[in-house]
Amino acid sequence: QKEVEQDPGPLSVPEGAIVSLNCTYSNSAFQYFMWYRQYSRKGPELLMYTYSSGNKEDGRFTAQVDKSSKYISLFIRDSQPSDSATYLCAMSALTGSARQLTFGSGTQLTVLP
Amino acid sequence: NAGVTQTPKFQVLKTGQSMTLQCAQDMNHEYMSWYRQDPGMGLRLIHYSVGAGITDQGEVPNGYNVSRSTTEDFPLRLLSAAPSQTSVYFCASSYSSFEVFTDTQYFGPGTRLTVL
Repeated sequence: QKEVEQDPGPLSVPEGAIVSLNCTYSNSAFQYFMWYRQYSRKGPELLMYTYSSGNKEDGRFTAQVDKSSKYISLFIRDSQPSDSATYLCAMSALTGSARQLTFGSGTQLTVLP
Repeated sequence: NAGVTQTPKFQVLKTGQSMTLQCAQDMNHEYMSWYRQDPGMGLRLIHYSVGAGITDQGEVPNGYNVSRSTTEDFPLRLLSAAPSQTSVYFCASSYSSFEVFTDTQYFGPGTRLTVL
């Protein structure tokens, strides 16, 4: 079983829709939770990060962490065609000499105009 | 700032050949790392470095070597290429290896490697 599971999609939604992206994980030591966005043939870029449980909002994006259920979500409101990308969740536990990120496999999102 | 740069962008190798993937950053970042990205597998950590002269293995280190002689450069060497190493390779850097909650890892554009 992978430590981090993410539905690969693909997910296709009309412009203006609310998008929900999710990951589940099994390692209780994960404390830091991140969402990366990756455009086609580009490197990932950090979208949002949260520490422990709770919500964080940044413009049209909201990240939620539920550590009791080992479940994290990213919501995109008023989705735009420019949001079309692969979204990767990533998690980290501070161990040893440095943090290491464990990534989900990514969800491919297409927002149709 | 150029950020994180990677060369080459594309490479085709034959089984058994060796090569070095180059990675450089101009942000004076302490932490650098190499990932490979395969379909359905996400990004997996190969090797990382917390500073010049210090490297360590990640999740999938076999078949790869790294060294870090300067802060700026972190090359990845494939010793004897195998078809299983066909992948997209990303280099990443961040200011610190510890300050996760305030830190951002910057990724390079990637190197697409095919091993025949």
